[in-house]
Amino acid sequence: DVKVTQSSRYLVKRTGEKVFLECVQDMDHENMFWYRQDPGLGLRLIYFSYDVKMKEKGDIPEGYSVSREKKERFSLILESASTNQTSMYLCASSSPHARAGYTFGSGTRLTVV
Amino acid sequence: ELKVEQNPLFLSMQEGKNYTIYCNYSTTSDRLYWYRQDPGKSLESLFVLLSNGAVKQEGRLMASLDTKARLSTLHITAAVHDLSATYFCAVGSNSGYALNFGKGTSLLVTP
Repeated sequence: DVKVTQSSRYLVKRTGEKVFLECVQDMDHENMFWYRQDPGLGLRLIYFSYDVKMKEKGDIPEGYSVSREKKERFSLILESASTNQTSMYLCASSSPHARAGYTFGSGTRLTVV
Repeated sequence: ELKVEQNPLFLSMQEGKNYTIYCNYSTTSDRLYWYRQDPGKSLESLFVLLSNGAVKQEGRLMASLDTKARLSTLHITAAVHDLSATYFCAVGSNSGYALNFGKGTSLLVTP
């Protein structure tokens, strides 16, 4: 069974902390994505990567960075967490051009206090 | 910029009734996806529509795509409580890798 695994289901962090959200896929997909989901705003793209060490900004990259050192792993980094980054974070992967759509991870609900 | 609009955003319907959710998008695309999300859970793929006139059916749900009208519909037949969830449509840009999502339709099916 193909999978996208996010390392934490729930996470509570303090304002100003550096936060790492990890995502691993076992489908040998080239593309990986990070979205955040907030009530009334739907899914918003933070960053995506179409190859190892390649990254592209999405619609709301401010306050975030990413790392993709290996094909199967895509990390989202909150450099200095703030309360407005409290959200559900969803990782997804896809094959090139995403013809089959995305496979999503189970999500990480991050609370910044 | 590709914009995706779903309506309605909230839908309460009785069991046994039929209804349609609409997904409009703003620029040319030949790929559209429907996802389901249960409360507190992630998104699960429902349908992949890759050509004009594509129609897919699974149980009480049927999705269609009209690329000329830039419109997809998700039709619910004889709704049951188990269909209560949030449904998202997502559209692929012809020039990029990422999907653009609608804001979702929160469906509640009541007895």
